Amino acid sequence: RKEVEQDPGPFNVPEGATVAFNCTYSNSASQSFFWYRQDCRKEPKLLMSVYSSGNEDGRFTAQLNRASQYISLLIRDSKLSDSATYLCVVNNNAGNMLTFGGGTRLMVKP
Amino acid sequence: DVKVTQSSRYLVKRTGEKVFLECVQDMDHENMFWYRQDPGLGLRLIYFSYDVKMKEKGDIPEGYSVSREKKERFSLILESASTNQTSMYLCASSSRDFLFFGYTFGSGTRLTVV
Repeated sequence: RKEVEQDPGPFNVPEGATVAFNCTYSNSASQSFFWYRQDCRKEPKLLMSVYSSGNEDGRFTAQLNRASQYISLLIRDSKLSDSATYLCVVNNNAGNMLTFGGGTRLMVKP
Repeated sequence: DVKVTQSSRYLVKRTGEKVFLECVQDMDHENMFWYRQDPGLGLRLIYFSYDVKMKEKGDIPEGYSVSREKKERFSLILESASTNQTSMYLCASSSRDFLFFGYTFGSGTRLTVV
């Protein structure tokens, strides 16, 4: 089983829609969770950390479900500019580095 | 603003050439990483370093080596470039608090080996 798994998509949604991605992780002892955003042919950039209690940043909400070992990212009121690949990131089994999921591609259409 | 700088955005090299990819960070980070990213394969870790003169193999080190003579600089070396090393190469750095702050990536080098 991969350490971090994501549905590659693409998720095609209209502007204004709400969309959610999940990401599952294999290490029940993981403590560190992030969502990164990667635009086409650019580098990944940190979007938000994921805290145990869940957290929100504008239109973006991240949740952690430890019992089922997944994290989620919810985007409300999607914009064309939200089109990107979203990478789920979790600390590895040894706890000495971060492991990146393969990413979920989002395409927001007019 | 924190910065990880990769020396070239695009490179074209010939098969068999020795290729140097340079990465410099200005954040006084202890940890530095080299990844390659290919369509459908995600980010794959080539080498990493937790300190000056330290290096550790990642998941796909074959055909690569690295050098970290100074804290701010981490170089990736393709000893004899081959066409299957055509890829996007991404450098990243982090402090020891990476579990809280994550990694910062450079803008990438798109290498084509012909």
